[in-house]
Order: sequence, then structure tokens, then C-alpha cells
Amino acid sequence: RKEVEQDPGPFNVPEGATVAFNCTYSNSASQSFFWYRQDCRKEPKLLMSVYSSGNEDGRFTAQLNRASQYISLLIRDSKLSDSATYLCVVNGDNFNKFYFGSGTKLNVKP
Amino acid sequence: DAGVTQSPTHLIKTRGQQVTLRCSPKSGHDTVSWYQQALGQGPQFIFQYYEEEERQRGNFPDRFSGHQFPNYSSELNVNALLLGDSALYLCASSRTPNYGYTFGSGTRLTVV
Repeated sequence: RKEVEQDPGPFNVPEGATVAFNCTYSNSASQSFFWYRQDCRKEPKLLMSVYSSGNEDGRFTAQLNRASQYISLLIRDSKLSDSATYLCVVNGDNFNKFYFGSGTKLNVKP
Repeated sequence: DAGVTQSPTHLIKTRGQQVTLRCSPKSGHDTVSWYQQALGQGPQFIFQYYEEEERQRGNFPDRFSGHQFPNYSSELNVNALLLGDSALYLCASSRTPNYGYTFGSGTRLTVV
């Protein structure tokens, strides 16, 4: 079983839509969680950390569900510029090792 | 404030050759991790360096080795290149081993 799993998509949504991605992880001892965004042929960029209590940054909300071992990312009022691949990142049983999901592709259309 | 810089940006090598990729971390960062990203996949963890030592290693063979220098910069070496080593190699730095990473733009390695 992979350490981190994501639905590859693509998610095709109109501008202004709300879209949510989930990511499941296998190691119940994981403590650190992040969402990264990666544009085509570019490096991943940190979008936000995911805290136990959930956190929000503008149109983006991240949640952690430890009981079901998944994290989620909600994007409200989607913009064309949100089109990218969203990568979920979880640390392993050692804080020094991080695992990436394969990414979920989002296409926001006019 | 310079971010993470990697060199070279692109590289073409022949099977069996050796390659060295370089990374300078973001100012104030002391931890460097290397990742391999194949087309259409998420980055795969190769190893992490902190205080000039390899602290963690992913599931990569010994052909992949690295080094961290006193100024926190790092090198990734790959020996006996295989076609399957063709990928984007990403360097990421962080303030501590458990903090969010800042990635460099990567080195795109093609093995022919």
C-alpha cells in the first residue's frame, strides 16, 4: 500500500466553483501534513501546512482527519489561476522523511 | 532573498555515465532533501542531509549518493546511469528537518 494516495483527477470545474480534494495516508504515526501546488513543468510550491484544528488561508481551507487518516483541501471561488496539480505531503514514521502523493490535477475553465 | 538554486537546469547523459547535481539552499535553511520526480508522478524521497550527514534515505540504490558541505549546499551523485534514472531531480531546503520545504526549480536529467 502506498504511503500517500490521491485521486489523480482531473477535476474540471468552472470559475467560481468550490472544489475539494482528499488525500489518504497509511502511517497513523504521521505528524506533519502539507499541501503543495505544482504547475506544469515547474517545481512544487508550498501552499499550506495542515494543522490538527484545520486552517484557512483566503479561499483555501485544509482539514485533517486523524481517525480516518486523510487530509483535505477545499478551494472556494475557483480562479483560472488555480489550475495546477495539487500534491499532498505526509511525513513518515521519522520526521525527516516525507512522502508525496502523485497529485490531483485541477482544471478551472472559464 | 535567493531561494533554492540548482544546477545545471538540464542535462543529457549516456547510460553507464556518472552525474553530479548541485543545490544551494535558501538563506537561513540548514536541511537539504533530494527528490526524484518521474513524469506524471509525485516526487519520491531520495535522502536528506542535515549537519553534513545523511539523516534519512528513501528506497534508492547505493548508486545514488550525496554530500552536504559546511555552507549547507549539497550534491547528488548518481553512478552507472540507467535509462530509468531520467527524471526531474528536485532539491528542497528547510529551516529544520520537520519544516515545510522550499523547492528549487530542479534539474531535468535525460539518460540516453
